[in-house]
Amino acid sequence: KQEVTQIPAALSVPEGENLVLNCSFTDSAIYNLQWFRQDPGKGLTSLLLIQSSQREQTSGRLNASLDKSSGRSTLYIAASQPGDSATYLCAVYTGANSKLTFGKGITLSVRP
Amino acid sequence: NAGVTQTPKFQVLKTGQSMTLQCAQDMNHEYMSWYRQDPGMGLRLIHYSVGAGITDQGEVPNGYNVSRSTTEDFPLRLLSAAPSQTSVYFCASRKTRYTGELFFGEGSRLTVL
Repeated sequence: KQEVTQIPAALSVPEGENLVLNCSFTDSAIYNLQWFRQDPGKGLTSLLLIQSSQREQTSGRLNASLDKSSGRSTLYIAASQPGDSATYLCAVYTGANSKLTFGKGITLSVRP
Repeated sequence: NAGVTQTPKFQVLKTGQSMTLQCAQDMNHEYMSWYRQDPGMGLRLIHYSVGAGITDQGEVPNGYNVSRSTTEDFPLRLLSAAPSQTSVYFCASRKTRYTGELFFGEGSRLTVL
């Protein structure tokens, strides 16, 4: 059974810091991994999708990497801003049982 | 381009009442799904569909019913609401079962008294 872990559950940083959010998974037989952002009271917004054959994806100040062999993905946020404050979730799509498994998210607070 | 649209955004029910949460997408996605999100439990899959006329159960299907008569619409029915069904419900779609980003609606907050 695939398990997805995101640690820590919450993170507070000053504005301008470069930061890394971690996502680990137990079953490396994945189709893809997706990072989402969720603002309070809102739905999930897709940030980046990495296929199993890819090592990384970039969008603006965001860069996501994938290391299937070690069961890890990282979301790098450059020059963090207060507007980046949100909960960040990763989700892993596992081919064996065609199931999307979500982590519980990291709640990020960027202090002005 | 509206993406995934859910209605209603808020609903209060009494125990035993039934209701339908509506979900529509305008991206011609084959795959649609319903999740519930609860504090400490994360997102859990209720039901999903890989195309019109095809549905299947997720992790927590009991007490919910779905149908998929068109590509665009995937309603979720609560047959006899219970307080344990108090939650935030999200509809999500992707191009196919195996490909594409998963896009979410804004959510429907349901309270069962």
